Amino acid sequence: DTAVSQTPKYLVTQMGNDKSIKCEQNLGHDTMYWYKQDSKKFLKIMFSYNNKELIINETVPNRFSPKSPDKAHLNLHINSLELGDSAVYFCASSETGGARTEAFFGQGTRLTVV
Amino acid sequence: QQQVKQSPQSLIVQKGGISIINCAYENTAFDYFPWYQQFPGKGPALLIAIRPDVSEKKEGRFTISFNKSAKQFSLHIMDSQPGDSATYFCAARSGEKLTFGTGTRLTIIP
Repeated sequence: DTAVSQTPKYLVTQMGNDKSIKCEQNLGHDTMYWYKQDSKKFLKIMFSYNNKELIINETVPNRFSPKSPDKAHLNLHINSLELGDSAVYFCASSETGGARTEAFFGQGTRLTVV
Repeated sequence: QQQVKQSPQSLIVQKGGISIINCAYENTAFDYFPWYQQFPGKGPALLIAIRPDVSEKKEGRFTISFNKSAKQFSLHIMDSQPGDSATYFCAARSGEKLTFGTGTRLTIIP
């Protein structure tokens, strides 16, 4: 029973292509996130959605567009891929409300742009 | 601007020893401080967390010490084992945003 699942796990593509990463969570959480982990292992938040609404949008190129069809899914579409987009992208989810609970992370998608 | 500073970047500890990782923050709006453990090829997983009204929290071999006035917190791993070898991240939450430290690569040697 995977809590937060991402597909694909690995993605190798050429510069200039458009690609999507899908994420689904079965935890009943209403907040989902995309994080980017660079080659130095630094984790940085990119987007956060709460009940399908965008609530956090960090300084991310507009080539990156998240889409949340429902609160259990958050996909990431990337246009015109660049070499610098190579990284591991993590989807995560958490509960919202008064309590500050943990974020559950997926296994990650290793994107390599060649 | 790194809102959560973590040190050391890497740490080697002998089996049975104590591993200590330190973090410092600046934003007083942070209200929840988790530590995550990440193994190669896996996503980060919550290890232990603390709220700022508590000075220490212990779960098994893992302890968080929290100093609100100094805006510092640390993770102690007692009786460190080879299976503890991983990258550890401290984090701090404000609203729905989780800000991570830069990570510590911990290696436990026999």
